Amino acid sequence: AQKITQTQPGMFVQEKEAVTLDCTYDTSDQSYGLFWYKQPSSGEMIFLIYQGSYDEQNATEGRYSLNFQKARKSANLVISASQLGDSAMYFCAMREAGRQLTFGSGTQLTVLP
Amino acid sequence: GAVVSQHPSRVICKSGTSVKIECRSLDFQATTMFWYRQFPKQSLMLMATSNEGSKATYEQGVEKDKFLINHASLTLSTLTVTSAHPEDSSFYICSASGTGASTNEKLFFGSGTQLSVL
Repeated sequence: AQKITQTQPGMFVQEKEAVTLDCTYDTSDQSYGLFWYKQPSSGEMIFLIYQGSYDEQNATEGRYSLNFQKARKSANLVISASQLGDSAMYFCAMREAGRQLTFGSGTQLTVLP
Repeated sequence: GAVVSQHPSRVICKSGTSVKIECRSLDFQATTMFWYRQFPKQSLMLMATSNEGSKATYEQGVEKDKFLINHASLTLSTLTVTSAHPEDSSFYICSASGTGASTNEKLFFGSGTQLSVL
């Protein structure tokens, strides 16, 4: 079974608008971490934001925020005020205790001028 | 943030030759390093996990004799693709971790290596 599911292979957003990238996860563990990474066309993986399973508040990092709904097992990434440089592949990932990081299939975001 | 350096960024080689890819953690000691493979427009697939001073743990389906991993120091891990064939052409990317297994520890990634085997 898929541990991390990203149902949007591609998304388009107008510059300066906000966009939400969906991510759902599957785990029976109580302790886990959720991550979002950005991969531009150059290939590097850039860490964006982290949410711990015990964190009560949604994580925020600048224009990035994570909409964490634990009961629904979702960890959507919200990018506010999109910029052209935000065009990239975005991966949601989860780390369970003692296990490796597991990635979703990714969402290709294109920001339109 | 921490920096992981990966070289080369791109390599083209003839079929049958071996290629070595280096992954270095520049400002922290990497107890654990991970090697991933990525096909175009797809997700990262974990190939193997290496801990400094011990043998690498390979994921199911990854040939350990084809993909040799060495993690001889806390700052350097290498992946050698032996007797490369065109089907080995792919994007390979490493990541490094200080502790290895903490759920809240983010991984720092190298910039990746695009391998093309002719």
